[in-house]
Amino acid sequence: GAVVSQHPSWVICKSGTSVKIECRSLDFQATTMFWYRQFPKQSLMLMATSNEGSKATYEQGVEKDKFLINHASLTLSTLTVTSAHPEDSSFYICSAASGIVSNEQFFGPGTRLTVL
Amino acid sequence: AQSVTQPDIHITVSEGASLELRCNYSYGATPYLFWYVQSPGQGLQLLLKYFSGDTLVQGIKGFEAEFKRSQSSFNLRKPSVHWSDAAEYFCAVGAAVNYGGSQGNLIFGKGTKLSVKP
Repeated sequence: GAVVSQHPSWVICKSGTSVKIECRSLDFQATTMFWYRQFPKQSLMLMATSNEGSKATYEQGVEKDKFLINHASLTLSTLTVTSAHPEDSSFYICSAASGIVSNEQFFGPGTRLTVL
Repeated sequence: AQSVTQPDIHITVSEGASLELRCNYSYGATPYLFWYVQSPGQGLQLLLKYFSGDTLVQGIKGFEAEFKRSQSSFNLRKPSVHWSDAAEYFCAVGAAVNYGGSQGNLIFGKGTKLSVKP
């Protein structure tokens, strides 16, 4: 149980294009989903927290107009990198939590984004 | 300030030897503590977690961790390391309550890379 999937697992795009990454909780309802970014050999940095049906809460320094997050249902959240640039190349990982009581997050396998 | 410190960037141990990965935290509320493992190019897998109760917690793959409140530490241990344990290990802390308005926000350490010698 508690499986989270991400699609695509890797994507290469040209500079200036937009890329959408999906995060799905397969066997539970995720009231909250989180988006992290991980640079090579670095830790995970939280980008934003999204609750189903409401606007995402972005961490300081994260451009909300560049990283659009939509949490339309209890099993799906999407991250859209708009007008991608090479510096956006990174490993993006989502996680999902079913409730605040346990505060346990289940992580997706990640999406490798390369912007040429 | 909230933070997690993993003082060892890279550790190498021989297969069959014991392992201890250190984690110290600074947190302004009662913490929930986690250890995750990440293989190259993969997401994170939860090894174990501490919410309350017994301060020695058992996890998967033979790992255990001990919460020491007085030392603000949550060190990960394994009595006998296997070659398949080579990976990156992350310690993380989160709120036991809805702290600071961030529901379930986790703060990660920088990670410790574990290499295993044959």
